[in-house]
Amino acid sequence: AQTVTQSQPEMSVQEAETVTLSCTYDTSENNYYLFWYKQPPSRQMILVIRQEAYKQQNATENRFSVNFQKAAKSFSLKISDSQLGDTAMYFCAGRYNAGNMLTFGGGTRLMVKP
Amino acid sequence: KAGVTQTPRYLIKTRGQQVTLSCSPISGHRSVSWYQQTPGQGLQFLFEYFSETQRNKGNFPGRFSGRQFSNSRSEMNVSTLELGDSALYLCASSRVGTTSYNEQFFGPGTRLTVL
Repeated sequence: AQTVTQSQPEMSVQEAETVTLSCTYDTSENNYYLFWYKQPPSRQMILVIRQEAYKQQNATENRFSVNFQKAAKSFSLKISDSQLGDTAMYFCAGRYNAGNMLTFGGGTRLMVKP
Repeated sequence: KAGVTQTPRYLIKTRGQQVTLSCSPISGHRSVSWYQQTPGQGLQFLFEYFSETQRNKGNFPGRFSGRQFSNSRSEMNVSTLELGDSALYLCASSRVGTTSYNEQFFGPGTRLTVL
């Protein structure tokens, strides 16, 4: 069975600082995708960043980057220069098979403080 | 381009009733997936439809069913509602559902409350 685990239910960070959200996963598949999604309060879930498992290079999207450790099955998200608008639930997710079925972690509630 | 729309946005039902939720994907998207989000169980995959066929199904009882129409719009139905079915139901659409990457876009959700 595929699993995704987020061990930090809540985190906070000061505006302009850097924060790292942790995620571990388990799968026997070789080809898969990993994602971080952001769900702001009362707003729609949006994709933050994705990582293809066959790519060794860590994905980066502006202030967001990942540290993908395939052997350790770890996929953490680093947010640099945190902004108030980054306050949200963050979900780590994996897509392990054909189709669009996502397996989500339990989420990390991030609060950015002014 | 309009995003994923879900109707209704809020719904209150009583135990034993049935409910139908609707999802209209982004124009041109043929894959629609449904998820249930609850505080206790988190986000759980219900099922995915692609070209009117159910392609993947999560671990939910048979009371949960869905379908997809030729215009890619999808509905999900829950029969004999239970208190535990209270949740935010999210729909996500993507262009195609193949092994290659296709970003999924989520709708705002339908919040179902079962009394």
